Amino acid sequence: GNSVTQMEGPVTLSEEAFLTINCTYTATGYPSLFWYVQYPGEGLQLLLKATKADDKGSNKGFEATYRKETTSFHLEKGSVQVSDSAVYFCALSDRVRGGANSKLTFGKGITLSVRP
Amino acid sequence: GAGVSQSPSNKVTEKGKDVELRCDPISGHTALYWYRQSLGQGLEFLIYFQGNSAPDKSGLPSDRFSAERTGGSVSTLTIQRTQQEDSAVYLCASSLDTRSGNTIYFGEGSWLTVV
Repeated sequence: GNSVTQMEGPVTLSEEAFLTINCTYTATGYPSLFWYVQYPGEGLQLLLKATKADDKGSNKGFEATYRKETTSFHLEKGSVQVSDSAVYFCALSDRVRGGANSKLTFGKGITLSVRP
Repeated sequence: GAGVSQSPSNKVTEKGKDVELRCDPISGHTALYWYRQSLGQGLEFLIYFQGNSAPDKSGLPSDRFSAERTGGSVSTLTIQRTQQEDSAVYLCASSLDTRSGNTIYFGEGSWLTVV
């Protein structure tokens, strides 16, 4: 079956620090990969996505590259801000050959806190 | 509408009562999903609709849970004889269709507390 594994949290960083959040996956088909973010008191929002191997998704200074050889989609940002404090979820949707299925499988999420 | 709309945003109910949660997807989106977010379980898939049919109900926890969608738009998730373990945030989401890679947009959720 499909699964997503995220590094354990929470993570606390100082402003302007470099961020890496690890994510690895297991999938039976040809997955698309996503990072969703949940800011305090708000709903889940798509942060970025990549739909095939070697694609790089980017948004708001965050980047993640779809690595098929390591089955990974690690999230990075060069300089975090206090406003990046949120819960980050890695997710996949599996595209089975000849089929269509965009149901998301999520990792457990990781809480990021950025100190001024 | 502009985004996925859910109601009620908060619901407190007594154990054993039935509850209905409503979702209004983004206009034109044919795919609709229900997820549950709880502290111990993270984000769990419940069911999804393509149009009015539900090809995948595999995540519904028990036969107390049911969902329907009418007119290819609004969906209702019904929980009968609620239990305390049903307390969670119920998230609805929609996408243009079910092709993998399509962005799935989430509502802000309905927070259910069973006392």
